[in-house]
Amino acid sequence: NAGVMQNPRHLVRRRGQEARLRCSPMKGHSHVYWYRQLPEEGLKFMVYLQKENIIDESGMPKERFSAEFPKEGPSILRIQQVVRGDSAAYFCASSPPEKIASYEQYFGPGTRLTVT
Amino acid sequence: EDKVVQSPLSLVVHEGDTVTLNCSYEVTNFRSLLWYKQEKKAPTFLFMLTSSGIEKKSGRLSSILDKKELFSILNITATQTGDSAVYLCAVTNRGGKLIFGQGTELSVKP
Repeated sequence: NAGVMQNPRHLVRRRGQEARLRCSPMKGHSHVYWYRQLPEEGLKFMVYLQKENIIDESGMPKERFSAEFPKEGPSILRIQQVVRGDSAAYFCASSPPEKIASYEQYFGPGTRLTVT
Repeated sequence: EDKVVQSPLSLVVHEGDTVTLNCSYEVTNFRSLLWYKQEKKAPTFLFMLTSSGIEKKSGRLSSILDKKELFSILNITATQTGDSAVYLCAVTNRGGKLIFGQGTELSVKP
């Protein structure tokens, strides 16, 4: 059973470009969460999605950031017009449907975004 | 505001020592507390605790939750150099998201 998959693992963008980060949850998991870890800081929640729905985006910056989890395919975190302050590790986590009554979240390997 | 506080922030021990990591929290509509181990990559799930007073064990690691006093501890006995990592405590509420503490950086010297 493959774990949470994220790609790319490393992404370099110049200021002003767009960054697209992908996350495929574990098989059978329908909840996806994105977290950001800035250098020397802890993990911070960004957004929580279920298939075709954004459940909680309270941690997302108001501008330039968006996320989706379509019916088919991976979840995408998109950052438009990147700035140096966006350089961080972006982690995706997934958890099973609530009916299974497990709230454990399993993390992917992360995407390390560097903005030059 | 929901928050999770871990202590100590860093800890250096020698192989064979026993360590106790602390996590206290304030969160509305608490649902569960989770411990993760992070070694310069993705956090690896260790434990999830939802009920007070029930110890969870996995090898040399164990953890317990006190919902009255709002804290949890993570114990590691007979530490090994491979235990060196950042240990993260996180809490979930009914909203589902994880609220993380700052982490405890554990360094185990041979």
